[in-house]
Amino acid sequence: DTGVSQDPRHKITKRGQNVTFRCDPISEHNRLYWYRQTLGQGPEFLTYFQNEAQLEKSRLLSDRFSAERPKGSFSTLEIQRTEQGDSAMYLCASSFQGGRGYTFGSGTRLTVV
Amino acid sequence: AQTVTQSQPEMSVQEAETVTLSCTYDTSESNYYLFWYKQPPSRQMILVIRQEAYKQQNATENRFSVNFQKAAKSFSLKISDSQLGDTAMYFCAFMKSAGGGGADGLTFGKGTHLIIQP
Repeated sequence: DTGVSQDPRHKITKRGQNVTFRCDPISEHNRLYWYRQTLGQGPEFLTYFQNEAQLEKSRLLSDRFSAERPKGSFSTLEIQRTEQGDSAMYLCASSFQGGRGYTFGSGTRLTVV
Repeated sequence: AQTVTQSQPEMSVQEAETVTLSCTYDTSESNYYLFWYKQPPSRQMILVIRQEAYKQQNATENRFSVNFQKAAKSFSLKISDSQLGDTAMYFCAFMKSAGGGGADGLTFGKGTHLIIQP
């Protein structure tokens, strides 16, 4: 296992379109997280899964955002009706125990034009 | 809610020098974890060092060490013998102690851009 994989690396979309990102965590990790990072800022927590259960969602995660983790393996993050303010780096991370720190993926950079 | 403050947007030092990055945080929690993450340009975020709040001993990882002052809510990172490859954004982060249940999302500071000059 080579780490946390995210696909695609870059996505350019027109405002109003839907986009979906995928994250494949480290296979032994039962916890999966999504973060959003805008330019010049630290990452902001979006949502968290333990196995297939989505246990917490940030207030940043509007109704246009939905995340799934079927079967407790890979996860998808979908943004519907994208807005220019959604342009950011979307980071996925996984862990076995949160307190030991996460392993981050390389991120998906979304540009909404 | 927790907050993490990194007051140095950018720092620049010469190769082989020692540099200290500052971080302060605010929380009402008594048990928690603190982390420093490194994000090189266009590359993924990497865990540098972690500290458990209940441990008084400061964590060290090779050239990286922390000065954890729990009462002052301060968590600085010292990089000794700095190398060109240390050039990156450095983020301080806080996590509540989940105790096996509940979310354990990280709260990040805004980061410090560290530049190591040859």
